[in-house]
Amino acid sequence: DAGVIQSPRHEVTEMGQEVTLRCKPISGHDYLFWYRQTMMRGLELLIYFNNNVPIDDSGMPEDRFSAKMPNASFSTLKIQPSEPRDSAVYFCASGNTEAFFGQGTRLTVV
Amino acid sequence: KQEVTQIPAALSVPEGENLVLNCSFTDSAIYNLQWFRQDPGKGLTSLLLIQSSQREQTSGRLNASLDKSSGRSTLYIAASQPGDSATYLCAVSGGSNYKLTFGKGTLLTVNP
Repeated sequence: DAGVIQSPRHEVTEMGQEVTLRCKPISGHDYLFWYRQTMMRGLELLIYFNNNVPIDDSGMPEDRFSAKMPNASFSTLKIQPSEPRDSAVYFCASGNTEAFFGQGTRLTVV
Repeated sequence: KQEVTQIPAALSVPEGENLVLNCSFTDSAIYNLQWFRQDPGKGLTSLLLIQSSQREQTSGRLNASLDKSSGRSTLYIAASQPGDSATYLCAVSGGSNYKLTFGKGTLLTVNP
């Protein structure tokens, strides 16, 4: 298996633009997680899904953030409109008992 | 709310030394504990997973222990090498759900 695949690896966008981050989890994993990593706050859980159903989105910072998992092999995290404070590395992870992380998307909002 | 603390925040050791990284958590009702490694600009690599019913796990030069009742885990690295230099992160999952709560990590530097 190629592991958890995220795209794009890097994204630079202007404030106010919509940003969509994509994730392909490892086949057979029931759980999918979206995390955000910053120097100040470390790794924060934004939302996680179990069998494509959102279970806990309490970490989503604002209504500007939304996540979907239309099927077992694909998830998106959307920020609309984006702001400079959203700049961070966004990780997707999948697993059953053990979590496996993608390489992340480095988002810069200017 | 679960909180995870890792001590020290940074550690620098000479090559060949044995070392211990510490992790503590406030809520002992965990499902499992996982140790990760993160290289600069990269994702997280899972090193060891300890289920709540286990006391320790070993993989090569790495040994992780878990004391649920005291809310502590240690990662022991034997005969450290420069290639071990990275940030090591500890994460615990809750008893009623599977979301992982992370510590801030320990930045390890092994000097040749």
